[in-house]
Formats: sequence, C-alpha cells, structure tokens
Amino acid sequence: GDSVTQMEGPVTLSEEAFLTINCTYTATGYPSLFWYVQYPGEGLQLLLKATKADDKGSNKGFEATYRKETTSFHLEKGSVQVSDSAVYFCALNSGGYQKVTFGIGTKLQVIP
Amino acid sequence: DGGITQSPKYLFRKEGQNVTLSCEQNLNHDAMYWYRQDPGQGLRLIYYSQIVNDFQKGDIAEGYSVSREKKESFPLTVTSAQKNPTAFYLCASSMGQGLRNEQFFGPGTRLTVL
Repeated sequence: GDSVTQMEGPVTLSEEAFLTINCTYTATGYPSLFWYVQYPGEGLQLLLKATKADDKGSNKGFEATYRKETTSFHLEKGSVQVSDSAVYFCALNSGGYQKVTFGIGTKLQVIP
Repeated sequence: DGGITQSPKYLFRKEGQNVTLSCEQNLNHDAMYWYRQDPGQGLRLIYYSQIVNDFQKGDIAEGYSVSREKKESFPLTVTSAQKNPTAFYLCASSMGQGLRNEQFFGPGTRLTVL
C-alpha cells in the first residue's frame, strides 16, 4: 500500500538557518504530493503541492520538488523564522476518496 | 469566508457516555472526512463520505459512528465502545476524488475522557 516516510523530529534550528525536512514515499501510479503545516492547537493548512514529476510547489518561502526517480518531496526554506515553528506533514493522494496518506509529521522548533 | 468549522474546541466526557462532535463546511465540497490525531502517530482515518447519505469506514472506525444527512454537515459520534477516545479529532473536506484535490481541515476538537 501507499506510505509516506518523514522524520518525527523535533528539528531545532536557529532563526535564519536553512531548513530541509525529508519526505519519501511509496505509491501505486502517479500520486499528487502535498505539504501541510499545523500550528499548535489548530487544524492542518495546505502549504504547497505538486501534481506531477519535476513540478515545484512553493509558498511563503517554502519549496518542494516532486522527484519521481528518488520518490521524494523534500521541504526546504532558505531562512526560517520563529513563526515557522509548527508540525509539518507530507502527504500523497494516489486517487480515490480513501487514498490520501499522511506522514507522521515533523515538529520544527525555531529559536531566536 | 468559506471554510470548515468544528465545535466544540474542547470536550470532556465521562466514561460510558456517547458524545457528538460537530463539523460544518460551506465550501460546497462533496467529500468529507474524520481523522484522529495522537502524538507520534500522525493522522488516522476514521470515516469518510463521498456524498450525502453515504459514508464508508476508514482504518479505525470501531467505536465511532457518523451521519451525512446534509452536504454541509458530517457529525461524528464517539460511542462508549471506543476504548481510548482521548485524542484530537480533525474534520476535513475536499471537492471529490480527483487526484489533485487537496483536503481542507477544520480547527479540530480535543476530546478528553475523565
């Protein structure tokens, strides 16, 4: 079945540091890939998405590229801020109502 | 503003009681979902509904029930049969089963069993 693998963290960075959160997946067919962000006590918000190989999703300084050859969708940001502290979820949709699979979530802590 | 609302934000239940969590959306989405979130386990699908008057079990449906009488509403009942109901519950919706359709989430309800 489909699966998404990401480190649980926490990942602790100083403000303005470079961020990478790794995400790899296994899926049938050609899934769409997503990154969601969850701030404390809140629901998930879509951060970015990519729907086909080599697509780059970007939003709020975050980027991720759909790499089919390595089955990866790593999240990056060049300079993190304290306000980026949250839990980040990688997810894939391989079609169908029950086919959205989430990773375990990676907690990011940014310290001033 | 379009979105998903969940109520209440915090809910306390005594053992042996049933409780119902509300989820309403005004996005005109056909599909709705309920997830349970526990620390270190990500999101697990409880139930989902593709259309009014139809719903399907997810991965952890035991001890839960749902209804879908209106397109906008998808309430979740946590029954006394659910052995460990303390968790954060998230409702979501999407346009349909299209590959590119992302899910939109509500703010969540935190349920605590006393």
